[in-house]
Amino acid sequence: EAGVAQSPRYKIIEKRQSVAFWCNPISGHATLYWYQQILGQGPKLLIQFQNNGVVDDSQLPKDRFSAERLKGVDSTLKIQPAKLEDSAVYLCASSLDIYGQNTEAFFGQGTRLTVV
Amino acid sequence: AQTVTQSQPEMSVQEAETVTLSCTYDTSESDYYLFWYKQPPSRQMILVIRQEAYKQQNATENRFSVNFQKAAKSFSLKISDSQLGDAAMYFCAYRSGVQGAQKLVFGQGTRLTINP
Repeated sequence: EAGVAQSPRYKIIEKRQSVAFWCNPISGHATLYWYQQILGQGPKLLIQFQNNGVVDDSQLPKDRFSAERLKGVDSTLKIQPAKLEDSAVYLCASSLDIYGQNTEAFFGQGTRLTVV
Repeated sequence: AQTVTQSQPEMSVQEAETVTLSCTYDTSESDYYLFWYKQPPSRQMILVIRQEAYKQQNATENRFSVNFQKAAKSFSLKISDSQLGDAAMYFCAYRSGVQGAQKLVFGQGTRLTINP
């Protein structure tokens, strides 16, 4: 079974530029999560989708961050414009079904973003 | 809101010995799940062990076991016969059992070093 795929692995941009990250969850997984992990901290949820609907985006800085999950499969997270404090690892995860018994979330390898 | 606290930023242990990582959490819910994730330098979060709050028996996975104290809201991880490959960041995480609110809430992490 293929895992959660993310790209790119690394990205360096200048502040005020824009950037996009891509995630392909495990096939059949209805729920997709984007987490932000700042160096030295635990991951923090940015947004949670079930299929192509948003379940929780309460901690997403909506003035600069946006995310979409078209057709309930792949997802893209965008930052525009980037700030220095956005430097972090962005982790994507997926789980089978939030209403099901399988509550395990599987993570991708993340994208390390550096804003200079 | 639920919170997870890991009070040990760093721990070290001699190879083949036993180490215990601490975690406490705060919640008013009765239905929830607790997890320990391992994050090696590759950044991918790997599930180590999970515990359902309704189960009194402590979870065990090979060399990994937990001490789940529901009344004290404590969830520690014991690693027996430590191996060099166990070196990583370890995160304790909480997940609500409430439908539609199943995001993972992470602690700050504990960096585990294995001394040969």
